[in-house]
Amino acid sequence: AQKVTQAQTEISVVEKEDVTLDCVYETRDTTYYLFWYKQPPSGELVFLIRRNSFDEQNEISGRYSWNFQKSTSSFNFTITASQVVDSAVYFCALSEAGGKLIFGQGTELSVKP
Amino acid sequence: NAGVTQTPKFQVLKTGQSMTLQCAQDMNHEYMSWYRQDPGMGLRLIHYSVGAGITDQGEVPNGYNVSRSTTEDFPLRLLSAAPSQTSVYFCASSYLRTGYNEQFFGPGTRLTVL
Repeated sequence: AQKVTQAQTEISVVEKEDVTLDCVYETRDTTYYLFWYKQPPSGELVFLIRRNSFDEQNEISGRYSWNFQKSTSSFNFTITASQVVDSAVYFCALSEAGGKLIFGQGTELSVKP
Repeated sequence: NAGVTQTPKFQVLKTGQSMTLQCAQDMNHEYMSWYRQDPGMGLRLIHYSVGAGITDQGEVPNGYNVSRSTTEDFPLRLLSAAPSQTSVYFCASSYLRTGYNEQFFGPGTRLTVL
């Protein structure tokens, strides 16, 4: 069965610190997709990144980077030089073929000035 | 393109009342789904649909009904609301083509059952 675990419930950092959000997943499929979503205090869900199971290249987008390691079933998300605007709940999610998206419990990130 | 729209944004019900949460998308997505979000539990899948006339249960389907008569609409029905259904509900849609299953979410409906 699919499962996504975000062990960090809450993280608090001071602005400009780097922070890594952990995500561990379980699946029996060889083809699957991993996602990160951001939920700011306003409540909407914002898509950040999608990765398929055949592409283990790490990705960097500005201050955001993602580390995908199939060997440890992890898809971790790092924010470099965090800013107050990064304060949000971040969700990791897993999708197998067919579209069903399974979410982790979320990590609430608080960036203090 | 309006994307995924949900109505209402807020709703208060009494125990035992029924209501329908509306969800519509204008992107011609085959796949639509409903999630509920509760503190500390992430988003949990209630029901989903892979096309008009086809629906299936997710992780937490009890107390909810869905139907999909058109590609665009996917309403969620609460037949007899219970306080345990107090939650924020999100509707989402996506293509089913391999590699394109980024899900687009509506703004959410905050439901309180007294």
